[in-house]
Amino acid sequence: AQKITQTQPGMFVQEKEAVTLDCTYDTSDQSYGLFWYKQPSSGEMIFLIYQGSYDEQNATEGRYSLNFQKARKSANLVISASQLGDSAMYFCAMREGGSGGGADGLTFGKGTHLIIQP
Amino acid sequence: ETGVTQTPRHLVMGMTNKKSLKCEQHLGHNAMYWYKQSAKKPLELMFVYNFKEQTENNSVPSRFSPECPNSSHLFLHLHTLQPEDSALYLCASSRPGLAAYNEQFFGPGTRLTVL
Repeated sequence: AQKITQTQPGMFVQEKEAVTLDCTYDTSDQSYGLFWYKQPSSGEMIFLIYQGSYDEQNATEGRYSLNFQKARKSANLVISASQLGDSAMYFCAMREGGSGGGADGLTFGKGTHLIIQP
Repeated sequence: ETGVTQTPRHLVMGMTNKKSLKCEQHLGHNAMYWYKQSAKKPLELMFVYNFKEQTENNSVPSRFSPECPNSSHLFLHLHTLQPEDSALYLCASSRPGLAAYNEQFFGPGTRLTVL
């Protein structure tokens, strides 16, 4: 079973509109972290936002916010006032409470290709 | 140089060649990672190093051989690869700790093509 599911392979959004990218996850750990990364066509993964499983408030970073619904195991990314430069692949990822001494790899979803149209 | 750098950015090799990918981080981190990104597949974790010690090998074939001589450098030695190994190889680093927050900083990747 997939641990991270992103159900939207691609999305077209009008510039300046808000956009929600879906992510659901599956884990039996109590302690875990959820991440969103942006990957432009250049290939580099850019960290956007983090949500810890024990965080009671939804994370926000500038125009990015994470709609965390723990009971539903959902961690959707919301981008407000989208810009042309937001066009990229977006990946949801999870870090589970592993035994790597804090150095645990991330499990990624398949990503959503977001295209912002003028 | 700042952040995480990877060289070369592009590599074309034959199946009988031996080559190495290099990753260097200038962030003072102690954990380093190799990921593979194939077309239409999620990023796959390959190896994890924590304080130069390998802590995870995600069932990677032996034709991929990692090396971590110190906390700032990570190599991926390649030999007798297959065409299906063609992918973007991403290196990342992080500051390990017991806190759940553990943002990984990624390099630009090496685009590998195996002929």
